[in-house]
Amino acid sequence: QKEVEQDPGPLSVPEGAIVSLNCTYSNSAFQYFMWYRQYSRKGPELLMYTYSSGNKEDGRFTAQVDKSSKYISLFIRDSQPSDSATYLCAMSPDRGSTLGRLYFGRGTQLTVWP
Amino acid sequence: EAQVTQNPRYLITVTGKKLTVTCSQNMNHEYMSWYRQDPGLGLRQIYYSMNVEVTDKGDVPEGYKVSRKEKRNFPLILESPSPNQTSLYFCASSLAPGSPKYFGAGTRLSVL
Repeated sequence: QKEVEQDPGPLSVPEGAIVSLNCTYSNSAFQYFMWYRQYSRKGPELLMYTYSSGNKEDGRFTAQVDKSSKYISLFIRDSQPSDSATYLCAMSPDRGSTLGRLYFGRGTQLTVWP
Repeated sequence: EAQVTQNPRYLITVTGKKLTVTCSQNMNHEYMSWYRQDPGLGLRQIYYSMNVEVTDKGDVPEGYKVSRKEKRNFPLILESPSPNQTSLYFCASSLAPGSPKYFGAGTRLSVL
């Protein structure tokens, strides 16, 4: 079983929709949780960063972490065509031999059509 | 401007011809790492470095070498490239192991 599971989609929504992206994981040592956005032919760009459980909001983006369920989510409100990209979840432990190693989901391809 | 710079951006080479992909960051970050990205497999870590002269293997280190002689630079070396190393490569850096990682623009490598 892969350590981080993410549905690759593709996901296609109309402009203005609320988008929900999710990842599950199996390693209970993961404490740092990130969401990256990757446009075609570009490097991943950090969107959200959280430590341990809870919610974090930044503009139209909200990240949620539920460690009891080993489940993280990214919500995009009022989605725009410029949000069309691949969204990658990533996580890492805060201790142990794999400290600093970042484990990625496979990415979800999102298209927002006007 | 804070950035991670990789060179070259595109490279076509032949099997067995040694090559180096350079990576440089200007943020005084301790931690640097290399990833490869392949369709259906996502991003996988090749090597990482916690500090100068400290490197360790990631998930897919076979066929690669790295060195960290200076804090800002972390080159990726393919001593004898093979076609299965055709991929999109990213360098990343962060202030500390758990800190957010900043990625370079990528190097697209084709080994014929």
